[in-house]
Amino acid sequence: AQSVTQLDSQVPVFEEAPVELRCNYSSSVSVYLFWYVQYPNQGLQLLLKYLSGSTLVKGINGFEAEFNKSQTSFHLRKPSVHISDTAEYFCAVRPRLSTGGFKTIFGAGTRLFVKA
Amino acid sequence: EAGVTQFPSHSVIEKGQTVTLRCDPISGHDNLYWYRRVMGKEIKFLLHFVKESKQDESGMPNNRFLAERTGGTYSTLKVQPAELEDSGVYFCASSQASTGLVFASGNTIYFGEGSWLTVV
Repeated sequence: AQSVTQLDSQVPVFEEAPVELRCNYSSSVSVYLFWYVQYPNQGLQLLLKYLSGSTLVKGINGFEAEFNKSQTSFHLRKPSVHISDTAEYFCAVRPRLSTGGFKTIFGAGTRLFVKA
Repeated sequence: EAGVTQFPSHSVIEKGQTVTLRCDPISGHDNLYWYRRVMGKEIKFLLHFVKESKQDESGMPNNRFLAERTGGTYSTLKVQPAELEDSGVYFCASSQASTGLVFASGNTIYFGEGSWLTVV
């Protein structure tokens, strides 16, 4: 079984400041890791994903995330946020092998508020 | 290429009524999933189709929910009768078929815009 914990339910930050959204996961099988974003009144959009290789993954809109296997974390970062980054962000995991199941397990979400 | 499309985008119904949500996956995607997010809580898995077959329906909350995927193309999710606690957003997603045991290239799942259901 897998679980995802997003450590902050809300993160307020000023425009042009850096931000980190924290995500820890637990799994008995090897997983892929994802970050999704949901802008107000829109659907889920894939920000980035970690499959293998370099532990630093770059995504869209200037976001990046670092996979830390020993700490089972996959924190999302952006060096300078914009007002338009205001949205809800979801960390998610999915088993690598179909024997682990097909479900994507989501965290509870972190609401990022970017203030002028 | 069209993405995953869902209809209706918003629906307001009274308790006890029936609502049917439709999902059209990306063309050629064998895997189709339904998820929902209720009252700002976590996004929860409902069920998974592979073509027209239900692979996993362990997330379906109760027998008021019925999902179908006749012909292995579009899917419908019917809620009958709807209750207040069914309010939330219902997401549909699709992905390509997995090749063997390993999901190819992470087998990206593409989500629709969601169907926002309000039961009053």
